[in-house]
Amino acid sequence: DVKVTQSSRYLVKRTGEKVFLECVQDMDHENMFWYRQDPGLGLRLIYFSYDVKMKEKGDIPEGYSVSREKKERFSLILESASTNQTSMYLCASQGDGSYNEQFFGPGTRLTVL
Amino acid sequence: QKEVEQDPGPLSVPEGAIVSLNCTYSNSAFQYFMWYRQYSRKGPELLMYTYSSGNKEDGRFTAQVDKSSKYISLFIRDSQPSDSATYLCAMSDGGNYQLIWGAGTKLIIKP
Repeated sequence: DVKVTQSSRYLVKRTGEKVFLECVQDMDHENMFWYRQDPGLGLRLIYFSYDVKMKEKGDIPEGYSVSREKKERFSLILESASTNQTSMYLCASQGDGSYNEQFFGPGTRLTVL
Repeated sequence: QKEVEQDPGPLSVPEGAIVSLNCTYSNSAFQYFMWYRQYSRKGPELLMYTYSSGNKEDGRFTAQVDKSSKYISLFIRDSQPSDSATYLCAMSDGGNYQLIWGAGTKLIIKP
């Protein structure tokens, strides 16, 4: 079974703090994604990566950056957290091929005060 | 206008009812259609996958794609309280790994 793990289930940070969210997958997948999920808005893509050290902006990259130094690990960084970044953050991984199935981690509920 | 439209609900039905969940889309290039189920405080999991048009059945679940109307449906027969979850549709043209997501419909099955 594919396993995608995220470093924290719940996180509370203060405005202006630097926040690191980590995601690890164990299936040797090439592609990894970071989404945020807000009520009524569904999943919105922040960044994705199709290879080590490669990254592409998604629909809402402002205020976020990412790092992929190893194939299995994809990190999301909030350089200076703001209250409007309070959300559920979901990481997903996907193997190459046209099937497109994405496997998700359990999510991190981030609250910025 | 969003590329994929999905009513967020909530949709509340009694146990045993047939449930119909739907999404409409605007991009005629979409070929891969998926339904994900997301339980509270969990990540989404793939439930059904369909390529191009037609129906696909898996137990109590049937996924239907009508490309001419740009409309997809998920039917749940003999609904159970354990089916209570948010159901998200997702689709792709197969080109660049990205999925385009609906907002998700929250489904509540009352015992």
